Amino acid sequence: SQQGEEDPQALSIQEGENATMNCSYKTSINNLQWYRQNSGRGLVHLILIRSNEREKHSGRLRVTLDTSKKSSSLLITASRAADTASYFCASPQANAGGTSYGKLTFGQGTILTVHP
Amino acid sequence: DTAVSQTPKYLVTQMGNDKSIKCEQNLGHDTMYWYKQDSKKFLKIMFSYNNKELIINETVPNRFSPKSPDKAHLNLHINSLELGDSAVYFCASSQMRQGAEQYFGPGTRLTVT
Repeated sequence: SQQGEEDPQALSIQEGENATMNCSYKTSINNLQWYRQNSGRGLVHLILIRSNEREKHSGRLRVTLDTSKKSSSLLITASRAADTASYFCASPQANAGGTSYGKLTFGQGTILTVHP
Repeated sequence: DTAVSQTPKYLVTQMGNDKSIKCEQNLGHDTMYWYKQDSKKFLKIMFSYNNKELIINETVPNRFSPKSPDKAHLNLHINSLELGDSAVYFCASSQMRQGAEQYFGPGTRLTVT
């Protein structure tokens, strides 16, 4: 089963508006990461938030993490047409020995369309 | 200056053929990965190598065989290709530490006809 599930599946907004995407996960995590994928390209790491952090900022990005609800949100402020992409949350999965070896489990992503 | 590169970018082949996808990273990372992204954009890890050693091997048909000749390269060989193998395959790399960010290649779109 998927560890991360994004909501909404698709989001369409006008340039200048804010975009909020949510992610829910099932098991305990030590961090949660957000990635962006432009059409036909590979994923690009945006931001990482650790389990002991509640909020993190990077430029126009703001990520929150609520470990009690097992959820995270990504807010893009003052969106631009260039922000049009799919956005994925991902978290490292621990193996039986308790280490993750970098295994990330991704959700299906939110497709964001920003209209100029 | 490409950090993670894959070849080829597109691969169209017939069922039953054997094909390989190559991946190289110049970031000095010690861990590399192969992911499969299906038509619904769902991204699933297939394999991971750390210092040429296999550390993650998900439930993948044994027609798929990764090979890591050195830390900077991780190739994926697929035997007896099937229609269901059609997907975009991404290579990625990272440092071997908890939760390290991963750097992805541009992907190889495989179409099996």
